[in-house]
Amino acid sequence: KQEVTQIPAALSVPEGENLVLNCSFTDSAIYNLQWFRQDPGKGLTSLLLIQSSQREQTSGRLNASLDKSSGRSTLYIAASQPGDSATYLCAVPLSGYSTLTFGKGTMLLVSP
Amino acid sequence: NAGVTQTPKFQVLKTGQSMTLQCAQDMNHEYMSWYRQDPGMGLRLIHYSVGAGITDQGEVPNGYNVSRSTTEDFPLRLLSAAPSQTSVYFCASRAANEKLFFGSGTQLSVL
Repeated sequence: KQEVTQIPAALSVPEGENLVLNCSFTDSAIYNLQWFRQDPGKGLTSLLLIQSSQREQTSGRLNASLDKSSGRSTLYIAASQPGDSATYLCAVPLSGYSTLTFGKGTMLLVSP
Repeated sequence: NAGVTQTPKFQVLKTGQSMTLQCAQDMNHEYMSWYRQDPGMGLRLIHYSVGAGITDQGEVPNGYNVSRSTTEDFPLRLLSAAPSQTSVYFCASRAANEKLFFGSGTQLSVL
């Protein structure tokens, strides 16, 4: 059974810092990995999708990397802002149509 | 495009009542799923579908039914509500090997 772990569970940083969120998974036979953002009381919004053949994806100040062999992904946030405060979740499927397994998320607080 | 639309946004039920949570998507996605989110438990898959007429159970299917008569709609039925079903429910859809899109959620309380 695929298990997804996110460390740390919570993170507090001052505005302007660069930070890294970690995601690890136990079964490396994944097709892709997805990072989501969830604001309090809201649904999940997809941030980045990395296909298994890719090493990284970038969107603005966000950069996600994927190392299938070691079962790890990182989400790098540059120059953090208070608006980045949210819970960040990663998820992996085992095949194109397979169900997604989610980590429990990292709650990020960026202070002004 | 409206994306994934869930109704209602809030619902309060009494124990034993039944109800249906509605989910519709306008992106022609084959894959649709229902999750529940509880504090400390994360997102757990209830049921999913890979196309019209095809459904399967997820991690926590007991007490819930689904059907998929069209590509667009994937309703979730609570047969006899229990306090343990108090949760936030999310519907999601995607095309194969593509991003997963979520609805805004239904907050359900069972008294």
